[in-house]
Amino acid sequence: NAGVTQTPKFRVLKTGQSMTLLCAQDMNHEYMYWYRQDPGMGLRLIHYSVGEGTTAKGEVPDGYNVSRLKKQNFLLGLESAAPSQTSVYFCASSLRDPRIGELFFGEGSRLTVL
Amino acid sequence: RKEVEQDPGPFNVPEGATVAFNCTYSNSASQSFFWYRQDCRKEPKLLMSVYSSGNEDGRFTAQLNRASQYISLLIRDSKLSDSATYLCVVANQAGTALIFGKGTTLSVSS
Repeated sequence: NAGVTQTPKFRVLKTGQSMTLLCAQDMNHEYMYWYRQDPGMGLRLIHYSVGEGTTAKGEVPDGYNVSRLKKQNFLLGLESAAPSQTSVYFCASSLRDPRIGELFFGEGSRLTVL
Repeated sequence: RKEVEQDPGPFNVPEGATVAFNCTYSNSASQSFFWYRQDCRKEPKLLMSVYSSGNEDGRFTAQLNRASQYISLLIRDSKLSDSATYLCVVANQAGTALIFGKGTTLSVSS
């Protein structure tokens, strides 16, 4: 069972470079999320989507863009990477409203910005 | 005040001990609460939901106190495999996403 798959799993960028993280889920889930996790900060929500074609800002959206053109994919873009964006990024999905549905996470993508 | 606050620990306990974690949340309108578990360098996974009446799953018991806006997790007869970070989680006001606490780290030793 693939579940939630993130690519790439590791990436090193130079300041100012751009990149896209891809999240794919094969569970036909409606909701998808991007979180970042930093030491001492816990998981913080960047952007989320409640369905194909929709996106919304979370707690820390600045410096990131997202797109949900297909239900199964949720892309996270960094247009001009900064060292403050060094983090572990987790994608998650849920079948329905997260108040009643479990979130399933990908294995994480470790990004270092030099 | 942060939306979800937890004591970061670490809690270091011997096998067989009982340990309790606490969590407070700021939004009195919150309706849904959970405990997730995260192993070192792994993704978070759902441990259990927290219901108003309290609920139990084997050695794990979750309690909710709405008046004090307080959630707890009790682990009885701790095992080495319980070593992990436990994340307190609350649904946001709109019900569109989950807000995670910073986590409480548990280390169980033999």
